[in-house]
Parts: sequence; C-alpha cells; structure tokens
Amino acid sequence: KAGVTQTPRYLIKTRGQQVTLSCSPISGHRSVSWYQQTPGQGLQFLFEYFSETQRNKGNFPGRFSGRQFSNSRSEMNVSTLELGDSALYLCASSAQTGGSSYGYTFGSGTRLTVV
Amino acid sequence: QKEVEQNSGPLSVPEGAIASLNCTYSDRGSQSFFWYRQYSGKSPELIMSIYSNGDKEDGRFTAQLNKASQYVSLLIRDSQPSDSATYLCAGSPYSSASKIIFGSGTRLSIRP
Repeated sequence: KAGVTQTPRYLIKTRGQQVTLSCSPISGHRSVSWYQQTPGQGLQFLFEYFSETQRNKGNFPGRFSGRQFSNSRSEMNVSTLELGDSALYLCASSAQTGGSSYGYTFGSGTRLTVV
Repeated sequence: QKEVEQNSGPLSVPEGAIASLNCTYSDRGSQSFFWYRQYSGKSPELIMSIYSNGDKEDGRFTAQLNKASQYVSLLIRDSQPSDSATYLCAGSPYSSASKIIFGSGTRLSIRP
C-alpha cells in the first residue's frame, strides 16, 4: 500500500513569490491535514480537509490556503512568501470519517527555503 | 497555555532501562491521544494511540492516560539505541475531534 506522497521534496523560493505544495494521501483516506514544522515552534496545525471541504483551520494568516480535490489529493498554497515561512511542510492523511480521530500517517514533507 | 505540553528534554536513559515520557493537556474534553516518534530528518511516525483511561500496551511500549489529571505518558521498556528520537505527544480537542494538536516533543537519547 503506497504511503502519503508529497511533492516536491525541496523548494527554494524568493521572498514575495508564491508556492504550491502537493499531497496524495493513502488510498481510501479522505482526511488530509497540513502542518508546518520549524525548530522553534514545533508542529503547527495549518488546516484539515475532508471530502473537498476545509473542516478545521489553524492560526495562520490568509496567505496560507489549501484545497482538496475529488480524488482526495490536496494542495497547499502560500502567497507572498516571507523568510519566516521557511520550514518543513508535512501532509498527513487519516482514514477517519466521523468525529473521532484515528491518528495520521505523515508524508516525507516538503522542505521550503525562502531566500 | 499550550494545549499539549511536554518537557523538551533531552532525556538520557541507559540501554535496557525504562524510558518514561510525559505529557499534559489543557482541554478537559479531549478524547483521543497519540504518541509519535520522529527520527532526525524524518517525518513523525505513529507508535501508539489511546482513548480510554488506563494503560495500553504494544510490545515494549505502554501508553497511559489519566483524564482526571489530564496526563498522558509513554513508557518504553528495555530501551534500545534505536529508540533515540524525538517523541511527540498529541491530542484531539473536544471542539474539533478530527484535528490533532502536537506538543513540542521530548528528545530521548539511549546511551549504551
């Protein structure tokens, strides 16, 4: 069974640019969540999508957005990049459907560097 | 107050001993709790989930949940050098059960 696939693995962008990250969940998983991981802040929740709808959102500015497609694949977009956006962006998928959480399986992440 | 709090460590434990990792959470209504292991340069990996008060054992790992004290712990028996990693405690808030909030992690080092 294929795991969670994130592309690209590494990105270098310039301040002010925008970037789109992609995530393909485990087959059959309909919940996809995104996290930002930095040494100082740890794993910070960005948002969660389920059946193409954003179900939960973290405390990030509106420059961070996402979407989910009918095949459960998800994309995350960051506009007007800032140096502080440099981080590892992790996507995770879950088989959960209702209210309980079954835990996530993480992808390998996208390492974004903003220069 | 952070929703999930952990001691950042590092926690150093001799090989073969029991490693004890602790975590507290602020949302009294939280129902689901998880322990993830993250090796340096890798993504987090789910090792235990616990939903009810008491102990849950899986091989060398035991997760403990005390909802009255809002406390979660992970015990690793017969610690091995391969257990050296950062351990992340996580929980789902009552208001958003499908969302998982992580603690900052505890670095564990198993010394030979």
